[in-house]
Amino acid sequence: RKEVEQDPGPFNVPEGATVAFNCTYSNSASQSFFWYRQDCRKEPKLLMSVYSSGNEDGRFTAQLNRASQYISLLIRDSKLSDSATYLCVVNPTSGTYKYIFGTGTRLKVLA
Amino acid sequence: GAGVSQSPSNKVTEKGKDVELRCDPISGHTALYWYRQSLGQGLEFLIYFQGNSAPDKSGLPSDRFSAERTGGSVSTLTIQRTQQEDSAVYLCASTGTFSPLHFGNGTRLTVT
Repeated sequence: RKEVEQDPGPFNVPEGATVAFNCTYSNSASQSFFWYRQDCRKEPKLLMSVYSSGNEDGRFTAQLNRASQYISLLIRDSKLSDSATYLCVVNPTSGTYKYIFGTGTRLKVLA
Repeated sequence: GAGVSQSPSNKVTEKGKDVELRCDPISGHTALYWYRQSLGQGLEFLIYFQGNSAPDKSGLPSDRFSAERTGGSVSTLTIQRTQQEDSAVYLCASTGTFSPLHFGNGTRLTVT
Protein backbone atom coordinates (compact mmCIF):
# COMPACT_ATOMS: atom_id res chain seq x y z
CA ARG A 1 0.00 0.00 0.00
CA LYS A 2 1.30 3.45 -0.89
CA GLU A 3 1.95 5.81 2.00
CA VAL A 4 -0.25 8.49 0.46
CA GLU A 5 -2.89 7.71 -2.16
CA GLN A 6 -5.01 9.94 -4.32
CA ASP A 7 -7.46 9.37 -7.15
CA PRO A 8 -5.58 10.74 -10.19
CA GLY A 9 -8.78 11.93 -11.88
CA PRO A 10 -9.29 13.94 -13.97
CA PHE A 11 -12.33 15.42 -12.32
CA ASN A 12 -14.16 17.42 -14.99
CA VAL A 13 -16.69 19.78 -13.44
CA PRO A 14 -18.67 22.79 -14.73
CA GLU A 15 -18.02 26.27 -13.42
CA GLY A 16 -19.88 26.86 -10.17
CA ALA A 17 -19.91 23.23 -9.15
CA THR A 18 -18.75 21.86 -5.83
CA VAL A 19 -16.06 19.20 -5.99
CA ALA A 20 -14.32 17.16 -3.33
CA PHE A 21 -11.13 15.11 -3.30
CA ASN A 22 -9.97 12.60 -0.74
CA CYS A 23 -6.49 11.47 0.12
CA THR A 24 -5.71 8.41 2.26
CA TYR A 25 -2.56 7.87 4.27
CA SER A 26 -1.17 4.68 5.73
CA ASN A 27 0.75 5.85 8.81
CA SER A 28 -1.64 6.40 11.68
CA ALA A 29 1.02 8.42 13.54
CA SER A 30 1.14 11.08 10.81
CA GLN A 31 1.23 14.55 12.26
CA SER A 32 0.94 17.21 9.58
CA PHE A 33 -1.17 17.42 6.47
CA PHE A 34 -1.27 19.85 3.60
CA TRP A 35 -2.88 20.45 0.25
CA TYR A 36 -0.70 21.85 -2.51
CA ARG A 37 -1.74 23.06 -5.91
CA GLN A 38 0.40 22.49 -8.98
CA ASP A 39 -0.27 24.16 -12.30
CA CYS A 40 1.05 22.64 -15.50
CA ARG A 41 4.84 22.94 -15.73
CA LYS A 42 5.01 24.93 -12.49
CA GLU A 43 6.22 24.18 -9.00
CA PRO A 44 3.78 23.06 -6.28
CA LYS A 45 2.41 25.87 -4.15
CA LEU A 46 0.86 25.57 -0.72
CA LEU A 47 -2.93 25.83 -0.87
CA MET A 48 -3.68 25.18 2.77
CA SER A 49 -2.64 23.27 5.84
CA VAL A 50 -5.13 20.80 7.27
CA TYR A 51 -5.97 21.12 10.94
CA SER A 52 -7.55 18.50 13.17
CA SER A 53 -10.73 20.50 13.59
CA GLY A 54 -11.03 21.23 9.89
CA ASN A 55 -10.41 24.62 8.36
CA GLU A 56 -11.76 26.87 5.68
CA ASP A 57 -10.17 29.45 3.42
CA GLY A 58 -12.69 31.17 1.21
CA ARG A 59 -14.14 28.61 -1.18
CA PHE A 60 -11.80 25.89 0.07
CA THR A 61 -12.46 23.60 3.03
CA ALA A 62 -10.04 20.99 4.31
CA GLN A 63 -10.87 18.22 6.75
CA LEU A 64 -8.98 15.49 8.55
CA ASN A 65 -10.46 12.15 9.54
CA ARG A 66 -7.91 10.39 11.76
CA ALA A 67 -10.10 7.37 12.41
CA SER A 68 -10.32 6.54 8.71
CA GLN A 69 -6.93 8.05 7.89
CA TYR A 70 -7.90 10.44 5.16
CA ILE A 71 -7.95 14.12 4.45
CA SER A 72 -10.31 15.88 2.11
CA LEU A 73 -10.45 19.08 0.11
CA LEU A 74 -13.76 20.65 -0.86
CA ILE A 75 -13.93 23.40 -3.46
CA ARG A 76 -17.17 25.36 -3.71
CA ASP A 77 -18.26 27.52 -6.63
CA SER A 78 -15.49 26.22 -8.88
CA LYS A 79 -13.72 28.74 -11.12
CA LEU A 80 -11.91 28.10 -14.38
CA SER A 81 -8.75 29.18 -12.58
CA ASP A 82 -9.12 26.29 -10.13
CA SER A 83 -8.06 23.91 -12.91
CA ALA A 84 -4.83 22.35 -11.66
CA THR A 85 -3.44 19.26 -9.98
CA TYR A 86 -4.04 19.05 -6.24
CA LEU A 87 -1.36 17.29 -4.23
CA CYS A 88 -1.91 15.77 -0.83
CA VAL A 89 1.15 15.99 1.44
CA VAL A 90 1.68 14.15 4.71
CA ASN A 91 4.42 14.43 7.30
CA PRO A 92 4.33 10.90 8.64
CA THR A 93 6.59 11.21 11.66
CA SER A 94 6.64 13.77 14.41
CA GLY A 95 9.94 15.56 14.85
CA THR A 96 11.26 14.83 11.39
CA TYR A 97 10.87 16.69 8.18
CA LYS A 98 10.01 13.89 5.84
CA TYR A 99 7.08 14.87 3.63
CA ILE A 100 5.33 12.31 1.50
CA PHE A 101 3.50 13.48 -1.61
CA GLY A 102 0.54 11.88 -3.27
CA THR A 103 0.63 11.70 -7.05
CA GLY A 104 -2.08 14.33 -7.27
CA THR A 105 -5.66 14.70 -8.47
CA ARG A 106 -6.26 16.59 -11.69
CA LEU A 107 -9.17 19.00 -11.73
CA LYS A 108 -10.57 20.56 -14.90
CA VAL A 109 -13.23 23.21 -14.49
CA LEU A 110 -15.19 23.62 -17.70
CA ALA A 111 -16.92 26.76 -18.98
CA GLY B 1 11.18 38.22 1.47
CA ALA B 2 13.01 36.11 -1.05
CA GLY B 3 11.73 32.65 -1.80
CA VAL B 4 13.64 29.51 -2.74
CA SER B 5 15.91 30.24 -5.68
CA GLN B 6 17.08 27.60 -8.15
CA SER B 7 19.50 27.84 -11.01
CA PRO B 8 19.67 27.30 -13.86
CA SER B 9 15.99 27.33 -14.73
CA ASN B 10 16.70 25.23 -17.81
CA LYS B 11 19.62 23.00 -18.65
CA VAL B 12 20.20 21.02 -21.81
CA THR B 13 23.13 18.64 -21.71
CA GLU B 14 24.53 15.81 -23.74
CA LYS B 15 24.34 12.27 -22.50
CA GLY B 16 27.41 11.42 -20.46
CA LYS B 17 28.12 14.95 -19.25
CA ASP B 18 27.99 16.01 -15.62
CA VAL B 19 25.57 18.69 -14.42
CA GLU B 20 25.29 20.76 -11.27
CA LEU B 21 22.00 22.20 -10.06
CA ARG B 22 21.90 24.87 -7.40
CA CYS B 23 19.38 25.72 -4.71
CA ASP B 24 19.37 28.73 -2.40
CA PRO B 25 16.77 28.16 0.33
CA ILE B 26 14.74 30.69 2.26
CA SER B 27 16.93 32.36 4.86
CA GLY B 28 16.62 30.67 8.25
CA HIS B 29 15.07 27.47 6.92
CA THR B 30 16.92 24.54 8.43
CA ALA B 31 15.61 21.77 6.20
CA LEU B 32 16.23 21.51 2.46
CA TYR B 33 14.86 18.95 0.05
CA TRP B 34 15.46 17.85 -3.49
CA TYR B 35 12.66 16.23 -5.48
CA ARG B 36 12.44 15.09 -9.07
CA GLN B 37 9.34 15.20 -11.24
CA SER B 38 9.20 13.51 -14.60
CA LEU B 39 6.62 14.64 -17.15
CA GLY B 40 3.13 13.78 -15.98
CA GLN B 41 4.38 12.08 -12.84
CA GLY B 42 4.32 12.80 -9.12
CA LEU B 43 7.17 14.14 -7.01
CA GLU B 44 9.97 11.70 -6.32
CA PHE B 45 11.93 12.37 -3.13
CA LEU B 46 15.70 12.42 -3.67
CA ILE B 47 17.47 13.75 -0.59
CA TYR B 48 17.00 16.02 2.38
CA PHE B 49 19.25 17.97 4.70
CA GLN B 50 18.30 18.94 8.23
CA GLY B 51 20.62 21.30 10.06
CA ASN B 52 23.96 19.65 10.80
CA SER B 53 22.57 16.11 10.75
CA ALA B 54 23.65 13.56 8.21
CA PRO B 55 21.49 13.92 5.10
CA ASP B 56 18.82 11.39 4.23
CA LYS B 57 19.99 10.11 0.85
CA SER B 58 17.51 7.28 0.65
CA GLY B 59 15.81 8.62 -2.48
CA LEU B 60 18.87 9.05 -4.69
CA PRO B 61 18.29 6.71 -7.67
CA SER B 62 21.92 5.78 -8.29
CA ASP B 63 25.47 6.59 -7.27
CA ARG B 64 25.65 9.04 -10.16
CA PHE B 65 23.59 11.39 -8.01
CA SER B 66 25.07 13.31 -5.10
CA ALA B 67 24.24 16.45 -3.20
CA GLU B 68 25.86 18.68 -0.67
CA ARG B 69 24.81 21.61 1.41
CA THR B 70 27.50 24.05 2.37
CA GLY B 71 27.27 26.11 5.54
CA GLY B 72 23.73 25.00 6.15
CA SER B 73 22.47 27.12 3.28
CA VAL B 74 23.06 26.68 -0.45
CA SER B 75 22.82 23.17 -1.85
CA THR B 76 24.06 21.66 -5.09
CA LEU B 77 22.76 18.50 -6.69
CA THR B 78 25.27 16.86 -9.01
CA ILE B 79 24.42 14.27 -11.61
CA GLN B 80 27.40 12.55 -13.16
CA ARG B 81 27.43 10.88 -16.58
CA THR B 82 23.86 11.98 -17.30
CA GLN B 83 21.47 9.58 -18.98
CA GLN B 84 18.32 10.35 -20.94
CA GLU B 85 16.16 8.98 -18.12
CA ASP B 86 17.56 11.75 -15.90
CA SER B 87 15.51 14.26 -17.91
CA ALA B 88 13.00 15.78 -15.50
CA VAL B 89 12.26 18.87 -13.45
CA TYR B 90 14.39 19.00 -10.33
CA LEU B 91 12.65 20.84 -7.52
CA CYS B 92 14.22 22.17 -4.37
CA ALA B 93 12.19 23.03 -1.28
CA SER B 94 12.99 24.37 2.15
CA THR B 95 11.15 24.54 5.43
CA GLY B 96 11.52 25.75 8.97
CA THR B 97 10.24 24.20 12.17
CA PHE B 98 6.75 22.75 11.62
CA SER B 99 6.20 24.93 8.58
CA PRO B 100 5.14 23.68 5.15
CA LEU B 101 7.48 23.18 2.25
CA HIS B 102 8.25 26.13 0.02
CA PHE B 103 9.40 25.22 -3.47
CA GLY B 104 11.68 26.91 -5.92
CA ASN B 105 10.75 27.24 -9.59
CA GLY B 106 12.73 24.14 -10.45
CA THR B 107 15.41 23.29 -12.98
CA ARG B 108 14.20 21.62 -16.15
CA LEU B 109 16.92 19.20 -17.20
CA THR B 110 16.96 17.76 -20.71
CA VAL B 111 19.54 15.14 -21.59
CA THR B 112 19.97 14.68 -25.33
